[in-house]
Amino acid sequence: DQQVKQNSPSLSVQEGRISILNCDYTNSMFDYFLWYKKYPAEGPTFLISISSIKDKNEDGRFTVFLNKSAKHLSLHIVPSQPGDSAVYFCAARRFGSEKLVFGKGTKLTVNP
Amino acid sequence: GAGVSQSPRYKVTKRGQDVALRCDPISGHVSLYWYRQALGQGPEFLTYFNYEAQQDKSGLPNDRFSAERPEGSISTLTIQRTEQRDSAMYRCASSASGTGRNQPQHFGDGTRLSIL
Repeated sequence: DQQVKQNSPSLSVQEGRISILNCDYTNSMFDYFLWYKKYPAEGPTFLISISSIKDKNEDGRFTVFLNKSAKHLSLHIVPSQPGDSAVYFCAARRFGSEKLVFGKGTKLTVNP
Repeated sequence: GAGVSQSPRYKVTKRGQDVALRCDPISGHVSLYWYRQALGQGPEFLTYFNYEAQQDKSGLPNDRFSAERPEGSISTLTIQRTEQRDSAMYRCASSASGTGRNQPQHFGDGTRLSIL
């Protein structure tokens, strides 16, 4: 039972364009959401997060949007750069728990 | 060190042997987490500590798995009588504060465990 779903295994975009990575969740008790970026042979690196009391959080080229009614969040990268090519994981944490529940990841390729 | 450090990076052992995986969290981080990651999947929670106290071990698959953090810093994940199904990437993470605070978890590069 996948509580956090990333339905696109891969995404390819052109350098300079927008990358949009999507994530859906099923547990309405999740109150904190995170995006991680992972390069080969390295651990996941924290990118950006959002609390359930917000619907948007921005950090430089990265913006996360949260739609609680749809149980959906997305990560926007603008403009995309070749160095953004990596696997992106969406993760969620339930209120009162410290356990992160991860999606399976989306592999982003940014073409020069 | 600057980040979460895990050792060894790779461990190959025969079925039935015990293994101990080590995690050195970011200095000053209160909380420490263990996850296991299979190929093509995201990390799956095993257990976590606040300081030296094990707060949640609900993700440990069975009683062959145990973890400790005796002085509230370095942690060891031990797997006894290893089986082939234990082969995976084991990841450790740490965060600055414990329960109820929105602090991200920072991951190490993991230990790749292979059971022959």
